[in-house]
Amino acid sequence: DAGVTQTPRHEVAEKGQTIILKCEPVSGHNDLFWYRQTKIQGLELLSYFRSKSLMEDGGAFKDRFKAEMLNSSFSTLKIQPTEPKDSAVYLCASSLALGQGAHEQYFGPGTRLTVL
Amino acid sequence: GMPVEQNPPALSLYEGAESGLRCNFSTTMKGVQWFQQNHRGRLITLFYLAQGTKENGRLKSTFNSKERYSTLHIKDAQLEDSGTYFCAGESSGSWQLIFGSGTQLTVMP
Repeated sequence: DAGVTQTPRHEVAEKGQTIILKCEPVSGHNDLFWYRQTKIQGLELLSYFRSKSLMEDGGAFKDRFKAEMLNSSFSTLKIQPTEPKDSAVYLCASSLALGQGAHEQYFGPGTRLTVL
Repeated sequence: GMPVEQNPPALSLYEGAESGLRCNFSTTMKGVQWFQQNHRGRLITLFYLAQGTKENGRLKSTFNSKERYSTLHIKDAQLEDSGTYFCAGESSGSWQLIFGSGTQLTVMP
């Protein structure tokens, strides 16, 4: 059974470009999360989907960040336009949510984005 | 204060030694995960706990939701244990993980 996959693993963009990061969750999982990791801010939530519906969109990241989940096995995170401060590792995670209790999240390998 | 306070920020151990990491939560969490982040940046889940204690080889973790803390204990440290360790609490209000700031562990020969 494949874990969470993310592509590309590395991305270099010029300031002002549009980039799209991709994520495939663990098959059968109904929760999908996008996180961003930087040295200064650590790991922060960008977006959260439950059964393809957007539940949280990470407030501060609204203006240039858009996550979509058009089907249960694929999600994209679009950054438009990119800025140098967006340089970070972008992590996707999924989990199987069966109720109100705690659920383990499984993480992908991440996409390292560098904006010049 | 920070929703998840993780200590220590950095830790150096000699091979064979043992030590513990701790996370304190400012609010009640439904669960906690502990991760090791390797040199490639991959987050590897060490433990997932909704309560109680779990043990796996040289690692042991405890989560007390009521007292709002979790610990990770490493014994007989090995060189390959070096890396950054994160705790993350699953918020009761949503399902996102709230991460601690990490502990940079260095195991020395």
